[in-house]
Amino acid sequence: KAGVTQTPRYLIKTRGQQVTLSCSPISGHRSVSWYQQTPGQGLQFLFEYFSETQRNKGNFPGRFSGRQFSNSRSEMNVSTLELGDSALYLCASSLGYSSYGYTFGSGTRLTVV
Amino acid sequence: GQQLNQSPQSMFIQEGEDVSMNCTSSSIFNTWLWYKQDPGEGPVLLIALYKAGELTSNGRLTAQFGITRKDSFLNISASIPSDVGIYFCAGQTQGGSEKLVFGKGTKLTVNP
Repeated sequence: KAGVTQTPRYLIKTRGQQVTLSCSPISGHRSVSWYQQTPGQGLQFLFEYFSETQRNKGNFPGRFSGRQFSNSRSEMNVSTLELGDSALYLCASSLGYSSYGYTFGSGTRLTVV
Repeated sequence: GQQLNQSPQSMFIQEGEDVSMNCTSSSIFNTWLWYKQDPGEGPVLLIALYKAGELTSNGRLTAQFGITRKDSFLNISASIPSDVGIYFCAGQTQGGSEKLVFGKGTKLTVNP
């Protein structure tokens, strides 16, 4: 079966712009979580969605937001981009409201210039 | 907040050697997970541990859930070149906070 699909794989944006990243979970998975990965901070939890509801949120500013659609696909949005937002953004899906059986996508590499 | 201290940060070994890395925390976790990440890819789950004291193997990999529930280790025996990558530990609590807390990773280099 297809894995977790993240699009686009690479993105270059300018400071002040906004960006939307997409994640299609494994078929049948209803939980989607987003993580930011940087060399300095490692993997940091952004938020988790289950059945279109945000269940958990990490310690990120309000510029970071997300949503989940009825087909479990999820998007995350970052507004007013800053240089420090440059990172690999990873999405993970699982069957239920739990990270047991998490499967990660390959990520979207965002570069802010 | 919860933090995981993963060590070592990096390792350079010869093919065939055994490898050991560990994670410690000041917090108790109910689940410990070990992931491997190859360049340009997302982390892939290697081993999941659900009970204190549990010792689980996956091929040449062995991981243990510490009895205090505050630590875990991963051993790789007879390393091979394809073991190269970054290994992450992750802990999970329950009770409403299901997010994973990750260590900073151990970068493994295997010299053939």
